[in-house]
Amino acid sequence: DAGVIQSPRHEVTEMGQEVTLRCKPISGHNSLFWYRQTMMRGLELLIYFNNNVPIDDSGMPEDRFSAKMPNASFSTLKIQPSEPRDSAVYFCASRTNPGQGRTDTQYFGPGTRLTVL
Amino acid sequence: GDSVTQMEGPVTLSEEAFLTINCTYTATGYPSLFWYVQYPGEGLQLLLKATKADDKGSNKGFEATYRKETTSFHLEKGSVQVSDSAVYFCALSGQAGAQKLVFGQGTRLTINP
Repeated sequence: DAGVIQSPRHEVTEMGQEVTLRCKPISGHNSLFWYRQTMMRGLELLIYFNNNVPIDDSGMPEDRFSAKMPNASFSTLKIQPSEPRDSAVYFCASRTNPGQGRTDTQYFGPGTRLTVL
Repeated sequence: GDSVTQMEGPVTLSEEAFLTINCTYTATGYPSLFWYVQYPGEGLQLLLKATKADDKGSNKGFEATYRKETTSFHLEKGSVQVSDSAVYFCALSGQAGAQKLVFGQGTRLTINP
């Protein structure tokens, strides 16, 4: 099992540019989560999907942030336009749905370190 | 709402010392409790978990017991190693059907040889 795959691992961009982060969840997992980690705010849940449908996006900071999950094996988090305060490590995680007799453990990807200049 | 409070770091210990990282939680009902570990430059990895009161999770010499009476899930290890240096996160997942993980702020642990 390859685990959760994220790309790119590092992204440096200039303020105002569009940034797209990508995530491939573990095969068979049907919940996907996007988190942001900063020194000041710790680990924050931005949005999560069940069966490709966004369930809770209350953590998305602004309209500049958007997330999609067009199919069960791919999700994107887009920031447009980016700002320096968006600099952070963005993690994707996946898990099986509860109620299927499996664990409710979330498995995290290695993260994308975003720097907005 | 649900919340997790962790012992503030950073924590610095010598190799073979005893480790305790405190974690308390506030939640309705019967959450599942987790400890995740983050090594430098990596994502979070599940270290151990417990899903009901009095359960003990254990892995790699680490242990934590779900104490409902004190709403705690303290992480312990009898003899730490340099390789245990990492950031440790306590987290909870709410009642059945609730999918969010609520994380504590993390505790940075450094083990000196």
